[in-house]
Amino acid sequence: AQTVTQSQPEMSVQEAETVTLSCTYDTSENNYYLFWYKQPPSRQMILVIRQEAYKQQNATENRFSVNFQKAAKSFSLKISDSQLGDTAMYFCAFNPTFGNEKLTFGTGTRLTIIP
Amino acid sequence: DTEVTQTPKHLVMGMTNKKSLKCEQHMGHRAMYWYKQKAKKPPELMFVYSYEKLSINESVPSRFSPECPNSSLLNLHLHALQPEDSALYLCASSQEQSVLPNYGYTFGSGTRLTVV
Repeated sequence: AQTVTQSQPEMSVQEAETVTLSCTYDTSENNYYLFWYKQPPSRQMILVIRQEAYKQQNATENRFSVNFQKAAKSFSLKISDSQLGDTAMYFCAFNPTFGNEKLTFGTGTRLTIIP
Repeated sequence: DTEVTQTPKHLVMGMTNKKSLKCEQHMGHRAMYWYKQKAKKPPELMFVYSYEKLSINESVPSRFSPECPNSSLLNLHLHALQPEDSALYLCASSQEQSVLPNYGYTFGSGTRLTVV
């Protein structure tokens, strides 16, 4: 079974600053995908960024980037030039490549961007 | 169309009522999911449908009854619910697991259910 841990229940940062959300996971799988989802007060879970475990290059999507350390089983999310619209709950999630359709979520980090 | 549409957005029901939640997607995804989410908690998986067949039931009480009439529709039938079943119910869809690469799940905006 896989577990995903987010050790920061809440974080806040000034607008335009950079913030890093941490995520660690435990698995015996070698092939898998990792995701960061954002859930604003509007409730919809929105995919922010994804990482394929066999790719060493860290994924980036505009202001969002990850630091993927496969050996350490770490998958942190960096948000640059933070904006008020980034205020949301952020969930790290794990999905094996084969055989298991379950998406395992971490407990989430509530991020508040302060004007 | 890149959306998962859930209706209704809000639902209040009594413990003796029967109601249904509806989820629809037109992205050609062959896997669909129901999740339950309590406030400030991550979503908890309830059911998985793959190619319109139930593939995972996470030991959900029988007062929740899923149905997948076709590849685009997913329903959740509710009967004799308890107040502790009040939660946000999220539907999601994805490509079937064997299709790579994995682009993750697309979620709907959920149904906020209150049982009184």
